[in-house]
Amino acid sequence: EVQLVQSGAEVKKPGESLKISCKGSGYSFMSYWIGWVRQMPGKGLEWMGVIYPGDFDTRYSPSVQGQVTISVDKSTSTAYLQWRSLKASDTAMYYCVRRYLGSGSYWYYWGQGTLVSVSS
Amino acid sequence: EIVMTQSPATLSVSPGERATLSCRASQSVSSSLAWYQQKPGQGPRLLIYGASTRATGIPARFSGSGSGTDFSLTISSLQSEDLAVYYCQQYSTWPPWGTFGQGTKVEIK
Repeated sequence: EVQLVQSGAEVKKPGESLKISCKGSGYSFMSYWIGWVRQMPGKGLEWMGVIYPGDFDTRYSPSVQGQVTISVDKSTSTAYLQWRSLKASDTAMYYCVRRYLGSGSYWYYWGQGTLVSVSS
Repeated sequence: EIVMTQSPATLSVSPGERATLSCRASQSVSSSLAWYQQKPGQGPRLLIYGASTRATGIPARFSGSGSGTDFSLTISSLQSEDLAVYYCQQYSTWPPWGTFGQGTKVEIK
């Protein structure tokens, strides 16, 4: 069974760093793009970026380019979303997602979400 | 970038009545269109893919139709548990930025 299990909720202050995780299981982790989707409070779904674990190919949405870093650890089948300096506007729920199959397929598998709260 | 526009923003429907949600793409996405349901406090769940194919375990009262630029999601007989925000997403382009619609909130009248 394919599963994406995300790390727990975080409460941080502006300027702090943070790295949240998404552990994949039940499939060949290296063979599928993993995406990160942001949902700000009361708002819709917004792509942040995607990464292909097989060759570390990473793409960032223009809206977040330079503000976050997406990475993977193949040895633990885990993808990461990282901030160097959080802002209050980073407060949101973050989901990792995976396509059902390869390219051109719909995004079927979702992590349970990680709530990030940033406040002074 | 293909822009996805959903309407209406909010739909209020009585239990047992039909609810029809619309999603329009700014250019053709063929049948590469998915619908997601997000209940309060939960993450999104895939309902429909390929514009009209129900995902595993999705009740038959949910149906999708359309191709090209105009799509719809119909809930044939609304149940109280269908209270949710519904998002459409096209998956014909890469990378996937900007592929979600803004959502339609379904309220129980």
